[in-house]
Amino acid sequence: DVVMTQSPLSLPVTLGQPASISCRSSQSLVHSDGNTYLSWFQQRPGQSPRRLIYKVSNRDSGVPDRFSGSGSGTDFTLKISRVEAEDVGVYYCMQGTHWPPWTFGQGTKVEIK
Amino acid sequence: QVQLVESGGGVVQPGRSLRLSCAASGFTFSGYAMHWVRQAPGEGLEWVALIWYDGSNKFYADSVKGRFTISRDNSKNTLYLQMNSLRGEDTAVYYCARDSNSLGDYWGQGTLVTVSS
Repeated sequence: DVVMTQSPLSLPVTLGQPASISCRSSQSLVHSDGNTYLSWFQQRPGQSPRRLIYKVSNRDSGVPDRFSGSGSGTDFTLKISRVEAEDVGVYYCMQGTHWPPWTFGQGTKVEIK
Repeated sequence: QVQLVESGGGVVQPGRSLRLSCAASGFTFSGYAMHWVRQAPGEGLEWVALIWYDGSNKFYADSVKGRFTISRDNSKNTLYLQMNSLRGEDTAVYYCARDSNSLGDYWGQGTLVTVSS
C-alpha cells in the first residue's frame, strides 16, 4: 500500500499569513493514464471532510482561490495564501493512483496562534 | 444540489451485524462510483470500500474484507454497507462519498457506529 506522510502534523498560523502543508508518498503517484491522483481535504471541527484540490492542483467548485496545490511524483504541497479564521481544521492529503486502497495522510491540524 | 445522507448507525454488540444506508439526491446516482470511508473517534480517515457505478466491481480494505459488503440500488438512489462480525475497532463515523476525479467530491454527514458490549 502507498504510505502518505504529512508534515507538519500541527501548524499554528497567524491570521492573514500564508501556510503550507507538505505531503509525501512512498511511491510515485503518476498513473499510467498520465494523471496524478493526489487530493487535499479539509475537515473543519465537527464537520465532514470537504475536498479542496484534486489531481494535484485543480480546485473543486466553490473552493476559495487562496487554496492552491502543487507538486509532482512523490512530493506535494497545499498552500493557503492568507489564512482566515474559517480555515481552522484538519487537512488530509490522499492518493487515488494505486488503488485499492485509497490512502490518506495522518492529517495536519491548522490552528490560529 | 448534491446530497448524501447516511443512516443506520447505532450501538451494536461485538459479533453482531449492522446495515448502513446512504441516500443520494441531486445527481444521476447511477453514473458514479461510490465509496465508504470511516473515521474512528479522534483519528484520521480510512477508506473502507468502493463500488462501481453499475455495481459490477467492488473493492474492500483488508481490515473489512470478508466481513463487510458494499452494494447499491440504482433504482432507489441508495448505497449500502452491510457490516457483519463487528469488532471494537470498527467503531467509527462512516461516511459515504461520491467518486468524481477520484474519491470524495461530495461527502455525507456521516453516521456513528459504536461496537460495544
